[in-house]
Amino acid sequence: EIVLTQSPATLSLSPGDGATLSCRASQSISSYLAWYQQKPGQPPRLLIYDTSYRATGIPARFSGSGSATDFTLTISSLEPEDFAVYYCQQRSIRPRTFGQGTKVEIK
Amino acid sequence: EVQVVESGGDLVQPGGSLRLSCAASGFTVSSNYMSWVRQAPGKGLEWVSIIYSDRTTYNADSVKGRFSISRDDSKNTVYLQMNSLRADDTAVYFCARDLGDPKGYFDFWGQGTLVTVSS
Repeated sequence: EIVLTQSPATLSLSPGDGATLSCRASQSISSYLAWYQQKPGQPPRLLIYDTSYRATGIPARFSGSGSATDFTLTISSLEPEDFAVYYCQQRSIRPRTFGQGTKVEIK
Repeated sequence: EVQVVESGGDLVQPGGSLRLSCAASGFTVSSNYMSWVRQAPGKGLEWVSIIYSDRTTYNADSVKGRFSISRDDSKNTVYLQMNSLRADDTAVYFCARDLGDPKGYFDFWGQGTLVTVSS
């Protein structure tokens, strides 16, 4: 099973700041990584798939990069609605696995 | 409008059984890969089970032999039969549709249904 390790666990930022979230895979997963956003009491929302493709309706301030084992989600300028928990997920090898999450909180 | 609605969550004793339902609208479950993903209270996401359009199924090792996924095409509904439930199965269970192209990610999720395993 591929283990995804996200860092940091918590990111304390202010609206307007940029955010950089990391996801590291225990072995190469090529570009087969997605990012989700989850707010309290809601299901996850797909933001980015295959490393860098934005899902339908996702604003351009969200971008993804990386390859093999190291991946990054970048939020260029945080909006109030972006404070949430973010998960990465790989589809390279069954079973599909998720990272443990990074919480982006208001500083 | 694409929608999935889960139901069937409940409080159940250890060793008991439960069947969750996922009713879909706005798309056809038989044409898509459908999964169940769970989230224990305050914890992260764990993929549980998937059914392909050809009815092939896979389960996570943590539920193998205890859980099974199926679907009823006439009702456009996916099910998760859960047997021999344990305390660590306590979670919100989400039904999720596969993005499709590429396969392997989840683009539509329901609101989830809570399963609590406790005596």
